[in-house]
Amino acid sequence: ETGVTQSPTHLIKTRGQQVTLRCSSQSGHNTVSWYQQALGQGPQFIFQYYREEENGRGNFPPRFSGLQFPNYSSELNVNALELDDSALYLCASSLGGQQGREQYFGPGTRLTVT
Amino acid sequence: QKEVEQNSGPLSVPEGAIASLNCTYSDRGSQSFFWYRQYSGKSPELIMSIYSNGDKEDGRFTAQLNKASQYVSLLIRDSQPSDSATYLCAVTFSGSARQLTFGSGTQLTVLP
Repeated sequence: ETGVTQSPTHLIKTRGQQVTLRCSSQSGHNTVSWYQQALGQGPQFIFQYYREEENGRGNFPPRFSGLQFPNYSSELNVNALELDDSALYLCASSLGGQQGREQYFGPGTRLTVT
Repeated sequence: QKEVEQNSGPLSVPEGAIASLNCTYSDRGSQSFFWYRQYSGKSPELIMSIYSNGDKEDGRFTAQLNKASQYVSLLIRDSQPSDSATYLCAVTFSGSARQLTFGSGTQLTVLP
């Protein structure tokens, strides 16, 4: 167990709806990264938050947005859901905003868009 | 395009054998390299990190890094059926060093 928690575990939404996923980082970690993992693929980086600021972003459209709170927990928001957004959403916790730090994943949220 | 390549497998080895998993990456300036294990339906679990050329051993696992060849590997000695999983190689590339870039994973099956 990494100490990283995510909620909810599973979620079913309809195309066009909005969703919020939540993550609590491991104790002592101040950085949260979000990844999307489609079936049979490796995780794809969405963005990272460090000290409540976005600290890097991958190739995802603006309808993917996030927040980090003073306690270092984080939210991922996805607007105008599309069928291709169906995936496992992973958050990863790490120490510091520096490069190359080890990242520890939570259990993930399985999102299904119908 | 910065890429991480892995053989998708599946790779099958008998119990007790050495499993060898390979990964190549496209950016010579990459600094940090990780191996994750992912059981079906679960999230990735970090099993090894390596930052310098050479070998790093942790129990039955050995990571090997060759930056000149842009190659990182994972050896699993005395493979057990419980090692059956997908193994993901992840790299941080220069210029985007906060994010992990993953390969698509190698599926390993250890046969009893």
